[in-house]
Amino acid sequence: QVQLVESGGGLVKPGGSLRLSCVASGFTFSDNYMNWVRQAPGKGLEWVSYISARGTITYYADSVKGRFTISRDNAKNSLYLQMNSLRAEDTAVYYCARGITGAEEYWGQGTLVTVSS
Amino acid sequence: DIQMTQSPSSVSASVGDRVAITCRASQGISSWLAWYQQKPGKAPKLLIHTASTLQSGVPSRFSGSGSGTDFTLTISSLQPEDFATYYCQQGSSFPRTFGQGTKVEI
Repeated sequence: QVQLVESGGGLVKPGGSLRLSCVASGFTFSDNYMNWVRQAPGKGLEWVSYISARGTITYYADSVKGRFTISRDNAKNSLYLQMNSLRAEDTAVYYCARGITGAEEYWGQGTLVTVSS
Repeated sequence: DIQMTQSPSSVSASVGDRVAITCRASQGISSWLAWYQQKPGKAPKLLIHTASTLQSGVPSRFSGSGSGTDFTLTISSLQPEDFATYYCQQGSSFPRTFGQGTKVEI
């Protein structure tokens, strides 16, 4: 069955960096586009970034553009989110999600990122 | 950016009730609309994509309708496991955007 497992979250100081990973299994990873979506504590869902199946096309939310970089390694069935210059407002649970026709079909369990001094 | 507005923000209902949640896009998105259910502490679950296509394994009491700018998620007969927060999302263009959520509670 499809599984997405995120890791790499934790506590980081403002201005710091963190790299999230998402390992996929149960499907042909290289056939699917992927997204990162986040949810601040007690808040709604916010789309963060998209990467095409081959990794050649990426998109970002304005709130993270220039600070976050999405990438993937299809040989390792892995998706990444490099987060730099972190701010308090980046505090959230970060989910990786497999896309299907304009929606997110499968989601990981999420990894919590806390930005605080 | 396309803004997604859900209403109501919360609804009180009972088991067996019919519940409808609406989602309005700030510009036309054809049928590129998805609905998700989220329970506390859990990841969202896709219920419906392309406005009205029921995701595999989702009970038939859930249905979606609409196109263009106005969409509706209907739960025909609310079950205890349906008490959750529901989100719409447009998949027409980037940045993807979600509605603010509708909490269905007793």
